Amino acid sequence: QSVLTQPPSASGTPGQTVTISCSGSSSSVGSNYVYWYQHLPGMAPKLLIYRNNQRPSGVPDRFSGSKSGTSASLAISGLRSEDEADYYCAAWDDSLTIYVFGGGTKVTVL
Amino acid sequence: QVQLQQGGAGLLKPSETLSLTCTVYGESLEGYYWSWIRLSPGKGLEWIGEINHLGTTSYTPSLKSRVTMSMDTSKNQFSMDLRSVTAADTAVYYCARHMWRTPYFQYWGQGTLVAVSS
Repeated sequence: QSVLTQPPSASGTPGQTVTISCSGSSSSVGSNYVYWYQHLPGMAPKLLIYRNNQRPSGVPDRFSGSKSGTSASLAISGLRSEDEADYYCAAWDDSLTIYVFGGGTKVTVL
Repeated sequence: QVQLQQGGAGLLKPSETLSLTCTVYGESLEGYYWSWIRLSPGKGLEWIGEINHLGTTSYTPSLKSRVTMSMDTSKNQFSMDLRSVTAADTAVYYCARHMWRTPYFQYWGQGTLVAVSS
């Protein structure tokens, strides 16, 4: 069981907006930045969002992140077929003193 | 261009030791932390542990008794041993670069599929 809680799946049609939640605790999400990763089969995970809402260069602005209290969200707007992947949130946990991940959300483009 | 190249065997029997290496190209090991992370079927990503260029290590509690990480600065390489593997250790293992207490895993190895089966 993962320390951060994500819904196992989410879906949308092309062009729609899909939002994925990530729930943690006061010692993880509540105290530290949240990071989001995209994982495509056979590839290494790719950093999508850092420090809650910052995008590395090369990541489309269709991907956006936010955080409030002990929860964070990743929004994918203008959904495209190539966005079909698994998405993970991550944070440092001050109490456990480890890096923690969510269980992952599989996004399906209908 | 920073690249991480993983090496090591992918098929093990229960009770054997998993040994993986990660060679870093294009950058020194100094100034960063280097982690091992695994992706298990149905379980998602799990951080295993980290090491820095001084050899300082930190491990996730659930694996601490079975894992050892080391570094060879002459080869610009770091390694992980996971002892007494079971089927529950079947996963894709990745190495990755980041900063202390920051899960900004910018560079990753290609991944090594490890299967544990009798």
